[in-house]
Amino acid sequence: SQQGEEDPQALSIQEGENATMNCSYKTSINNLQWYRQNSGRGLVHLILIRSNEREKHSGRLRVTLDTSKKSSSLLITASRAADTASYFCARAQGGKLIFGQGTELSVKP
Amino acid sequence: EAQVTQNPRYLITVTGKKLTVTCSQNMNHEYMSWYRQDPGLGLRQIYYSMNVEVTDKGDVPEGYKVSRKEKRNFPLILESPSPNQTSLYFCASRKNRDYEYGYTFGSGTRLTVV
Repeated sequence: SQQGEEDPQALSIQEGENATMNCSYKTSINNLQWYRQNSGRGLVHLILIRSNEREKHSGRLRVTLDTSKKSSSLLITASRAADTASYFCARAQGGKLIFGQGTELSVKP
Repeated sequence: EAQVTQNPRYLITVTGKKLTVTCSQNMNHEYMSWYRQDPGLGLRQIYYSMNVEVTDKGDVPEGYKVSRKEKRNFPLILESPSPNQTSLYFCASRKNRDYEYGYTFGSGTRLTVV
């Protein structure tokens, strides 16, 4: 499959805890993007990290990229119930944007 | 407000009855795309368009048609829908073909073909 691997598939945490989601891929990329999807709704673009970047921050989000290991992680700090959603990585490679299967995050109040 | 608007949000139809799902964006984006989302299969690209009158097949184009006569609109046409096209469909756009820009997604169209 061209799609990357995301893990875990599902994650349940308490409000205030940090959530980490991982994304791995097999071939070289131009950039890697993270999206959030609330149940049944459209995806929302969160952050983009270029292949020559190692770390990027946006508010409570921190994304890392390790091109040698072909992996990326998304960290959400001090999670809130409103962060409950599915999170997808999408990698730009070979003229395509390929989405992973997603991680379902549940944040309990 | 910058957005991608899809219609309808929900649609139940019968096998073989032609239908069109509309998509419109107000951001003057050059690049538009259609995806379908299915459990266990994730998001798969159906068709995309790099600009007006330029369209190309994605990963799962069979059974679908598109057109791009105007920059803002990118309708998805199912000439003869079948039950295996039951899915959640998303239209998305971005500034241009450059992957340095993220997608803006529509709210989705949940299609059921019986």
